[in-house]
Amino acid sequence: DGGITQSPKYLFRKEGQNVTLSCEQNLNHDAMYWYRQDPGQGLRLIYYSQIVNDFQKGDIAEGYSVSREKKESFPLTVTSAQKNPTAFYLCASSTRQLNTEAFFGQGTRLTVV
Amino acid sequence: GEDVEQSLFLSVREGDSSVINCTYTDSSSTYLYWYKQEPGAGLQLLTYIFSNMDMKQDQRLTVLLNKKDKHLSLRIADTQTGDSAIYFCAESPWRYGQNFVFGPGTRLSVLP
Repeated sequence: DGGITQSPKYLFRKEGQNVTLSCEQNLNHDAMYWYRQDPGQGLRLIYYSQIVNDFQKGDIAEGYSVSREKKESFPLTVTSAQKNPTAFYLCASSTRQLNTEAFFGQGTRLTVV
Repeated sequence: GEDVEQSLFLSVREGDSSVINCTYTDSSSTYLYWYKQEPGAGLQLLTYIFSNMDMKQDQRLTVLLNKKDKHLSLRIADTQTGDSAIYFCAESPWRYGQNFVFGPGTRLSVLP
């Protein structure tokens, strides 16, 4: 079955550590996205990538980094520079067609301890 | 900046209709979307509407679009407890490529 997979579902990080969230899709989608969701707030775009080896900053990119070495994979690293990293992180992918829809993973809940 | 606005909460009785409203800002958005998020999960596309349409119906869901006022609504007929979730309105402005701009989400609570 085609889909988009995020791992792990829950992640705990000590302050000062970097941590990498995985996102893999087998939908043959060119575009991939990372969003952050905080309670009572909508989705805020962190980074997006329209094509392999290219990515763009979203609205809240500070303290995060990404890579897009393969079409299927778009990992997100939450660095120690991110001041408030505890949140629910959602990865999505889509085609680049006009009437596309975004397919979402099940999310990773990151907690800083 | 670009904002998609929604009311944050809505409570209805089981069997009643729910209407979730949204206003968006970018008239270049060709498609407008409604997504549903259940607790602890990702978002799933419920329905979408092309910007040259006024209405789209899909079983219990009716989407109304007022392009002049940039107002989008989602009506759920015969609301069930399984409809309790957060509903997100989203637009896809062309100047972001195929990026999506989401509203804050409306938490729908269905009371028995």
